[in-house]
Amino acid sequence: SYELTQPLSVSVALGQSARITCGGDKFGSRSVHWYQQKPGQAPVLVIYRNTYRPSGIPERFSGSNSGNTATLTISRAQAGDEADYYCQVWDNSTAVFGTGTKVTVL
Amino acid sequence: QVQLQESGPGLVKPSQTLSLTCSVSGGSISSGVYYWTWIRQPPGKGLEWIGYIYYRGSTYYNPSLKSRVTISIDTSKNQFSLKLTSVTAADTAVYYCARLNGDYLNFWGQGALVTVSS
Repeated sequence: SYELTQPLSVSVALGQSARITCGGDKFGSRSVHWYQQKPGQAPVLVIYRNTYRPSGIPERFSGSNSGNTATLTISRAQAGDEADYYCQVWDNSTAVFGTGTKVTVL
Repeated sequence: QVQLQESGPGLVKPSQTLSLTCSVSGGSISSGVYYWTWIRQPPGKGLEWIGYIYYRGSTYYNPSLKSRVTISIDTSKNQFSLKLTSVTAADTAVYYCARLNGDYLNFWGQGALVTVSS
């Protein structure tokens, strides 16, 4: 089955940028989506189709996808950005989620 | 703004069938634009996609669960449902319903914890 690899954790200083990667085979041809999940809450879509932000998501969240890696960047990180982040793609009509990355804002 | 709400028993015995319903408000489940999806998350672990259904009844399931899963839809009630048979402790999870817009999940329910235990 298709696998997506994310770093277990990422730490970022308040106001700095955090980058979360998501790796998989032949990634460049896939559309990647990103979800933020805070403790005890449902996931929230923060980036769809590699680079698009849903309405209501701050411009500080951005995405890219090149080669075998997709990246979610959180600029000017705030305490409220502390959460787990999951990438997601489709493989043979099956949704596949990444392993998840815990972002800590220091 | 569409809203989704899961409901169903929070405790299921091993070998029995887990049943959950997702009620959709703020939009019609029969709009034809979206697919309706179930995802689960074991405690402390990541997300696992279960499957989806279209308003006309066509379904697609995660191959790893396909033999035990049935997703159905009731357009008259604006609801869709999940049944998972022969459950074990490994099926203990928070179960989410969500709306699939093309290829991304843009609205999620709050989740329902289902524990499998005797």
